[in-house]
Amino acid sequence: EVQLVESGGGLVQPGRSLKLSCVASGFTFSNYGMNWIRQAPGKGLEWVAYISSGSSYIYYAETVKGRFTISRDNAKNTLYLQMTSLRSEDTALYYCATYFFDYWGQGVMVTVSS
Amino acid sequence: DVVLTQTPPTLLATIGQSVSISCRSSQSLLHSNGNTYLNWLLQRTGQSPQPLIYLVSKLESGVPNRFSGSGSGTDFTLKISGVEAEDLGVYYCMQFTHYPRTFGGGTKLELK
Repeated sequence: EVQLVESGGGLVQPGRSLKLSCVASGFTFSNYGMNWIRQAPGKGLEWVAYISSGSSYIYYAETVKGRFTISRDNAKNTLYLQMTSLRSEDTALYYCATYFFDYWGQGVMVTVSS
Repeated sequence: DVVLTQTPPTLLATIGQSVSISCRSSQSLLHSNGNTYLNWLLQRTGQSPQPLIYLVSKLESGVPNRFSGSGSGTDFTLKISGVEAEDLGVYYCMQFTHYPRTFGGGTKLELK
């Protein structure tokens, strides 16, 4: 059974940093590209970033480019999202999902507030 | 960026009624490899999005066949043939032919 489990969220002040993790199981993680998607409270879905299986290809939404960094450790079956210079508008539930968006985690909440 | 416009934003239905949701794209979603990467997702209240349909019309494993998808290019439709109570929630179309990946604004299916 495929499982994606996010962690690392919490309450953080504007301008500070936070690093999210997504641990994958039930499939060969190193063979698949991965995505981060977020959902602000009461809003729709927004794609955040993508990383290819071997980390050669990385893409970001313009809203996070230069502030967020996606990475992965295939030996640990783990996807990461390093978030810096956080803003109130980054407050959202953050999901990791597979390349084809066929599997999603349960999400982790990030709240940016003073 | 590709803009996906979903209509209607809200859909009121009775159990057993058939309904359709439209998703129109600002650009063709036909990839150079011949695939059209248009998915439909359902998000029930308090849950993660659940994939329903991929590549326009293919049902994800375990999804009831009352769900069907159709369309091509820029115009796509999700149909539910006989709404059941478990179908209530917000439906999203999404595309991953182009970067950035984008989602429609959502269609909330409620009971009339």
